[in-house]
Amino acid sequence: DVKVTQSSRYLVKRTGEKVFLECVQDMDHENMFWYRQDPGLGLRLIYFSYDVKMKEKGDIPEGYSVSREKKERFSLILESASTNQTSMYLCASSTPGYNEQFFGPGTRLTVL
Amino acid sequence: QKEVEQDPGPLSVPEGAIVSLNCTYSNSAFQYFMWYRQYSRKGPELLMYTYSSGNKEDGRFTAQVDKSSKYISLFIRDSQPSDSATYLCAMGRMDSNYQLIWGAGTKLIIKP
Repeated sequence: DVKVTQSSRYLVKRTGEKVFLECVQDMDHENMFWYRQDPGLGLRLIYFSYDVKMKEKGDIPEGYSVSREKKERFSLILESASTNQTSMYLCASSTPGYNEQFFGPGTRLTVL
Repeated sequence: QKEVEQDPGPLSVPEGAIVSLNCTYSNSAFQYFMWYRQYSRKGPELLMYTYSSGNKEDGRFTAQVDKSSKYISLFIRDSQPSDSATYLCAMGRMDSNYQLIWGAGTKLIIKP
């Protein structure tokens, strides 16, 4: 059974804090993605990684960074959390090409 | 104007009804089309995937793509309460480095 896990289901942080969201996949997928999901806006891509140590900016990378040191692990970092980063964060993985993306359960982050 | 438009609903129908969910898009370069289903507090999961115009059927689900009208649909026959979820359309271009453009999602409620 394929699996993408995310480190936390719910997270509450203060403005200005550094926040780490971690994603692990057990399918040996090359591609990994970080999205945020907001009501009425759908999924918006923050960053994409197609290989270890490789990353590409998505549509809304400002205020975020990522790290992929191992193939199975993709981390999203909020350097200095702000209230407008309150959202649902979804991690996904896929094989190369235009293939099915497998999603984790999401992390609901609240920044106070 | 968003590249992909999807009515957020909610759409409420009685059990057994035929459901029609739709997305319109503006970019004629989109070449592949997906429907994902997202249950509450879960990540999206792939339901249907089509490359070209026409219909694709899988059990009670039919995906329809009309590239000339830039319009895609998902039909659900004999709808069940377990079909209650948010349905997201997603589209991609072959030259976009695997990035998908997502609709906002339609919340579907099937009443027993």
